[in-house]
Order: sequence, then structure tokens, then C-alpha cells
Amino acid sequence: GAGVSQSPSNKVTEKGKDVELRCDPISGHTALYWYRQSLGQGLEFLIYFQGNSAPDKSGLPSDRFSAERTGGSVSTLTIQRTQQEDSAVYLCASSSNWGYNEQFFGPGTRLTVL
Amino acid sequence: GNSVTQMEGPVTLSEEAFLTINCTYTATGYPSLFWYVQYPGEGLQLLLKATKADDKGSNKGFEATYRKETTSFHLEKGSVQVSDSAVYFCALSLTGANSKLTFGKGITLSVRP
Repeated sequence: GAGVSQSPSNKVTEKGKDVELRCDPISGHTALYWYRQSLGQGLEFLIYFQGNSAPDKSGLPSDRFSAERTGGSVSTLTIQRTQQEDSAVYLCASSSNWGYNEQFFGPGTRLTVL
Repeated sequence: GNSVTQMEGPVTLSEEAFLTINCTYTATGYPSLFWYVQYPGEGLQLLLKATKADDKGSNKGFEATYRKETTSFHLEKGSVQVSDSAVYFCALSLTGANSKLTFGKGITLSVRP
């Protein structure tokens, strides 16, 4: 079956512009996560969605970052007024809501802010 | 808070050498422990996991044992191959409302023929 997909695979933008990153989780997975992978900070948790519950936004680094998940499936991560320090690979993962929390990762979106 | 500490890298080994990558953790509860691997040009994928103390996870010749007394989850392989060259991440998650993964910084392994 299809895995987690993300688009675009690469995004280059200018400082101050807004960007949207998309994640399509594995069908039937109720949990969805966003992480960020950067040279300086390693892999960091950003936000977590579980079913219809309120998302856990505790990892978002600033109020320029937001995410939504429509219909319990596709998710969009939005970064407003991008800064150079936002340059990173943004990873999405999904998991079923049972078992031992195995998360399946997408290929990531590499964001470069010039 | 929760954290994962991995040994500093990079690590370079010759083919068929023995591999150990150290990982220790700090957690407020009873975590599940994972090793993820990222091959060149590919996404992050689960290598192995262990969900309770003394469990041993294994896959592709790699093993790691959940040691609660030393809060460790060291990764081992008896004979590495060139195809094992990748970045390895140790991680934990706590069962509960938010099972986010907390990762170590990762270590790059290069295996020479």
C-alpha cells in the first residue's frame, strides 16, 4: 500500500514569504506528526494530531508556524514570514492509534529560505 | 523532561567489523525505545524497537536491548556491510496522549569495503 507522501519535495523561497507544506498520511492512520530536521537542532517534534482531538502544538517554535488537518486525513503545515533559520527538512509521520506507537515517515520537504 | 543521548560521530568501519552505537535516555515515565535509520537519499525508517525493560529488538542483523537499570538501548551488529552506511537515530516515546518521538542527534556510519 501507499506510504506517507509529502509535497513539494523541495521548496526554495525568499525571506518573508509564506509557505505551505502538505502531508498525506497512510490511509486509516489516525495520528499524524510533523517534525523538523535541521543541522543545528537535529530532529524536533513540531505538532501532533490525533483523530478529532485538539492538536498538541507544544513543539511549534513560534506563532509563525501553524498546521491543520482536514477531514482527519491530509495535513498542511504553514510557515508565515519565513526566516533563514526556518531552512530545514520538514518530516511528516503517521501511525495507527493502537499498538506501540510505530510511526511511518514520509520523504520530507526540504525548505530553503534565501 | 525526556531526552536521548547518542555517542558522537561520525563512525567509520571496515566491512565485517563489529558495530556498537551507544544510546542512553532520560524519561519521566516508561518509554518505548526505537532505532531509526536514514539511508542516503531516503526517508527515515524504523530499524527496530523495544517496548519494555529487557526486551530485545532485532532486524537486519542489528540488535538492541532495553536496559532499564542503565537507561540504555545500545545498537549492535556483529558484521557490518557497506550497505549499512547510513545515519542512525535513537529515539523514545511515552505511551499516552501524545506519543511523539524524542530523538538523539543521530550518528553517521560509513562502512568501507
